[in-house]
Amino acid sequence: DTGVSQDPRHKITKRGQNVTFRCDPISEHNRLYWYRQTLGQGPEFLTYFQNEAQLEKSRLLSDRFSAERPKGSFSTLEIQRTEQGDSAMYLCASSRNLVVSDTQYFGPGTRLTVL
Amino acid sequence: KNQVEQSPQSLIILEGKNCTLQCNYTVSPFSNLRWYKQDTGRGPVSLTIMTFSENTKSNGRYTATLDADTKQSSLHITASQLSDSASYICVVTRKTATGNQFYFGTGTSLTVIP
Repeated sequence: DTGVSQDPRHKITKRGQNVTFRCDPISEHNRLYWYRQTLGQGPEFLTYFQNEAQLEKSRLLSDRFSAERPKGSFSTLEIQRTEQGDSAMYLCASSRNLVVSDTQYFGPGTRLTVL
Repeated sequence: KNQVEQSPQSLIILEGKNCTLQCNYTVSPFSNLRWYKQDTGRGPVSLTIMTFSENTKSNGRYTATLDADTKQSSLHITASQLSDSASYICVVTRKTATGNQFYFGTGTSLTVIP
């Protein structure tokens, strides 16, 4: 399977714990995006990388959130001191960064539940 | 303010019937508009992409239209099937100096019943 993969698919944690999610994009895609999606809502942009550079971060990405893409391939999203409001689906997407017809390919998501 | 609004929020139709979903946007400058289908618990999957010069584009039983003047798009589903039950999300791409930004609608939840 050459699509976007995410790990884990589900994570249940207690409030205050740290969690880390991983995303493996499509291999030839140089852009990688993180989104958060709550029930009944569309995805909300968190951050994106072009290769290893983090080019933009949303205001939604508080100090407790950090994302890395150290070698320009896979990325990790870490949430420190989780809160119940962090419970959501965390989606990763990748694209080629074409000027006009840039299509994002999404992974299956990681569903986080904070107890 | 760059926004994407979709209507209706939810829709229930009988199998075999047609339906049309709406997307209005205020995103500027406009680059392209996509419709995604998102099955429950899965990531979104692209259905169609339309640039400024395209008025209509089809993908099987899905037909998307775009009116760039009024900043409206629609997704028409013909002869609906049970497997069409999903959330349909409209995404508008905005050009920026550093690349593209993506603005998502909240989606229309479609339920097809037998």
